[in-house]
Amino acid sequence: KAGVTQTPRYLIKTRGQQVTLSCSPISGHRSVSWYQQTPGQGLQFLFEYFSETQRNKGNFPGRFSGRQFSNSRSEMNVSTLELGDSALYLCASSLAIGPVYEQYFGPGTRLTVT
Amino acid sequence: AQTVTQSQPEMSVQEAETVTLSCTYDTSENNYYLFWYKQPPSRQMILVIRQEAYKQQNATENRFSVNFQKAAKSFSLKISDSQLGDTAMYFCAFMTTNAGNMLTFGGGTRLMVKP
Repeated sequence: KAGVTQTPRYLIKTRGQQVTLSCSPISGHRSVSWYQQTPGQGLQFLFEYFSETQRNKGNFPGRFSGRQFSNSRSEMNVSTLELGDSALYLCASSLAIGPVYEQYFGPGTRLTVT
Repeated sequence: AQTVTQSQPEMSVQEAETVTLSCTYDTSENNYYLFWYKQPPSRQMILVIRQEAYKQQNATENRFSVNFQKAAKSFSLKISDSQLGDTAMYFCAFMTTNAGNMLTFGGGTRLMVKP
C-alpha cells in the first residue's frame, strides 16, 4: 500500500506570493491533518479534515487555509507569503478520528520564502 | 490547552547501550493518549510507541518502552540495545480523546547513536 505523498517536495517562493501544497493520504484514509515544522516553533498543528469537513484549526492566521476533496486528497494554501512561513509542512493521514487510529506522516514539503 | 516539554535538546548514546528520553506534559484532561514519534534525518516521521492514559501498564514495543507516571505527568522513552538506525529526532506528543486528531508535540530530542 502506498504511503502518504506530498507534492511538491521543495518549493521556493517570494514574499507576497501564494502557494498551494498537496497531500494524498493512504488509500482508504479519510482524515488528513497538516502541521508546520520550524526550528524555532517546532511542530505546530494547522488544521484537520475529515470527510471534506474541517474539524479542527490551529492558531494560525487566516492566510492559511485548506480543503479536502471527495477522494480525501487535501490541499493547503498560504496567501501573501511572509519570510516566517518558511518551514517544512507535514501532512498526516489516518483511517478515522481518534487516538486509536495511527497517524501516518508524509515526507513533507519544504517551503522557502525569499 | 495542553503543553508538552522535552528538556533534552540533544543526547548521544553508544551503540548497544540504553538511553532514556524525558518528556513532561501538562493537561487538565482525564482521557488522553501519549505518543513517541521518530523522525530520522530526511525521512518520514513514524510512530514508535503509544500509551493510553487510563492504562497503568507501561507500553512496550520491542526495544522501546515507556515509563508513564500519570500523577507526575511524565512520559519517558527508554531505548534498549541502541542501534545506529535509532539516530533521529524523537518527539513526544499528546492527544486528547475529544479533539479529533490534533497532536500537540514537544520540542524534540535529537538522539545520536555512536558506533
